[in-house]
Amino acid sequence: EAQVTQNPRYLITVTGKKLTVTCSQNMNHEYMSWYRQDPGLGLRQIYYSMNVEVTDKGDVPEGYKVSRKEKRNFPLILESPSPNQTSLYFCASSSWQGGEKLFFGSGTQLSVL
Amino acid sequence: TQLLEQSPQFLSIQEGENLTVYCNSSSVFSSLQWYRQEPGEGPVLLVTVVTGGEVKKLKRLTFQFGDARKDSSLHITAAQPGDTGLYLCAGGGFRSNFGNEKLTFGTGTRLTIIP
Repeated sequence: EAQVTQNPRYLITVTGKKLTVTCSQNMNHEYMSWYRQDPGLGLRQIYYSMNVEVTDKGDVPEGYKVSRKEKRNFPLILESPSPNQTSLYFCASSSWQGGEKLFFGSGTQLSVL
Repeated sequence: TQLLEQSPQFLSIQEGENLTVYCNSSSVFSSLQWYRQEPGEGPVLLVTVVTGGEVKKLKRLTFQFGDARKDSSLHITAAQPGDTGLYLCAGGGFRSNFGNEKLTFGTGTRLTIIP
């Protein structure tokens, strides 16, 4: 089954404790992206990757890091989480962005205390 | 920065009624996508429209892209409880010199259909 898998689904952590949210897709998609979803603000792009070793900033990249060492994986790293990063995070992938179908994971609800 | 405003933000109607939600911008988009998101899940693509004035139908859902490619509407006929969800529009930007094309998401319309 074609899917984007995120882990964990829920995460509660404390300020400053480094964390990684994993994302994996099994569709051989070149494009992968991370979004955060906050009430009233919609989906905002954090980082995206056009292919292996190619990453770029989205609209809200501050406080986040990503890597794309393999085509299927695109982890999101918070080196020193802060409460304003409490949000619902989605990973997505597609074979070509803008016209091709964007597949989303089920989301990771992160709470930073 | 391209912005997409969706209206209404919240809509609650009785089963069987018709409704229209809107997605508006001052910017031109190369394409417009509509997604539906259910609680606890990620958004799922419903349709993509790419031509100004284009109309696409998906069962009881009718999607239209504005002639100037700045706006779009989603009309639901005889709404069902299964239509309940968050509806998101997303506009595709024009390709940059490097070939990447950015999707801008709207703020969403939360639709509740009351049985």
